[in-house]
Amino acid sequence: NAGVMQNPRHLVRRRGQEARLRCSPMKGHSHVYWYRQLPEEGLKFMVYLQKENIIDESGMPKERFSAEFPKEGPSILRIQQVVRGDSAAYFCASSPARYNEQFFGPGTRLTVL
Amino acid sequence: QKEVEQDPGPLSVPEGAIVSLNCTYSNSAFQYFMWYRQYSRKGPELLMYTYSSGNKEDGRFTAQVDKSSKYISLFIRDSQPSDSATYLCAMSLKTSYDKVIFGPGTSLSVIP
Repeated sequence: NAGVMQNPRHLVRRRGQEARLRCSPMKGHSHVYWYRQLPEEGLKFMVYLQKENIIDESGMPKERFSAEFPKEGPSILRIQQVVRGDSAAYFCASSPARYNEQFFGPGTRLTVL
Repeated sequence: QKEVEQDPGPLSVPEGAIVSLNCTYSNSAFQYFMWYRQYSRKGPELLMYTYSSGNKEDGRFTAQVDKSSKYISLFIRDSQPSDSATYLCAMSLKTSYDKVIFGPGTSLSVIP
């Protein structure tokens, strides 16, 4: 049973470019969560999605960030016009319906030059 | 005041020691409490999961929740070098889905 998969594992972008981070949840999981982890800081919630729906995006910056979880395919976290402050590790987690146990992927480490 | 507070450490102990990791929180509505372990440059993995107050034991790990004090603990017995990692406490509200709030993590090193 494959775990949560994220790709790419490492992503380097120049300021102003777009970053696309992908997350494939565990089999049978229809809930996806995205978190950002800055050095020396804890995981910060960004957005919670179910298939085709954004349930809670209260942790998402108002501009440049968006997320989707289409009916088919992985969840995508998109960051437009990246800035150096976007450099961080972005983790995706998934859970089965009705439970809080979240299983994390290995993360994507974004570096903005 | 932060919603969840945790001593960042680093905490260094000799192999075989009992380790105590702690978190305090401010929101009395939290009902679900979790401990995650995160190895360097890896994603967090769930260690323990408890609902409301009480103790839960799993092998060398024991989680305690004291809701009256808004304080949770993770004890590791007979600590091993492989336990060296960052430990994140986490908690969430009692709703049909829950946004998990994480503490900043405590870095633990177990010295052989």
